[in-house]
Amino acid sequence: DAGITQSPRHKVTETGTPVTLRCHQTENHRYMYWYRQDPGHGLRLIHYSYGVKDTDKGEVSDGYSVSRSKTEDFLLTLESATSSQTSVYFCAISESQRNEKLFFGSGTQLSVL
Amino acid sequence: GESVGLHLPTLSVQEGDNSIINCAYSNSASDYFIWYKQESGKGPQFIIDIRSNMDKRQGQRVTVLLNKTVKHLSLQIAATQPGDSAVYFCAESLPGSGTYKYIFGTGTRLKVLA
Repeated sequence: DAGITQSPRHKVTETGTPVTLRCHQTENHRYMYWYRQDPGHGLRLIHYSYGVKDTDKGEVSDGYSVSRSKTEDFLLTLESATSSQTSVYFCAISESQRNEKLFFGSGTQLSVL
Repeated sequence: GESVGLHLPTLSVQEGDNSIINCAYSNSASDYFIWYKQESGKGPQFIIDIRSNMDKRQGQRVTVLLNKTVKHLSLQIAATQPGDSAVYFCAESLPGSGTYKYIFGTGTRLKVLA
């Protein structure tokens, strides 16, 4: 998966608890993204980063925050998890933000009970 | 991308036959398109892309056709193999919007019959 590692691969948590998902890349790509994938929906962008400490909101950012302190790491945090955040989360990277293929990690299956 | 319900459309194809997977994209101004393959429990894998100034692009065993008149994209897989079994979905991009605004379809499940 193009040098992208997501951790953990699976997570079960309780409503109201904080959760952090990690994405680590070895490609030295500037752009990184967090998506969620739910039945009946295409991939939806949560947040993205265009450089260290440079991030912005995507389509479904409510309830999520991100941080990028190093080029290779992009963290997604659910401050207080809710059942509606049960989903599969994918990290993606790209070299540029112009029309460009995205490379995806293997995903994190998150269940919020 | 196409809008479908919870149950993905399924295409069943005999091993060795050609497969054609379709995608109706949403915006006539979209100028870049990508096809992804997603196997069960894995992340999406890039297959092939095409820009709107082209009608056809070929890769290894795959061909993407773009019909801008009817906003239709298709992925043709030649000599379909068991390893091709997966969900395939398309993504579209509007001019100038960049990677932040990709619109992803929900996909089609391809089943390869032995």
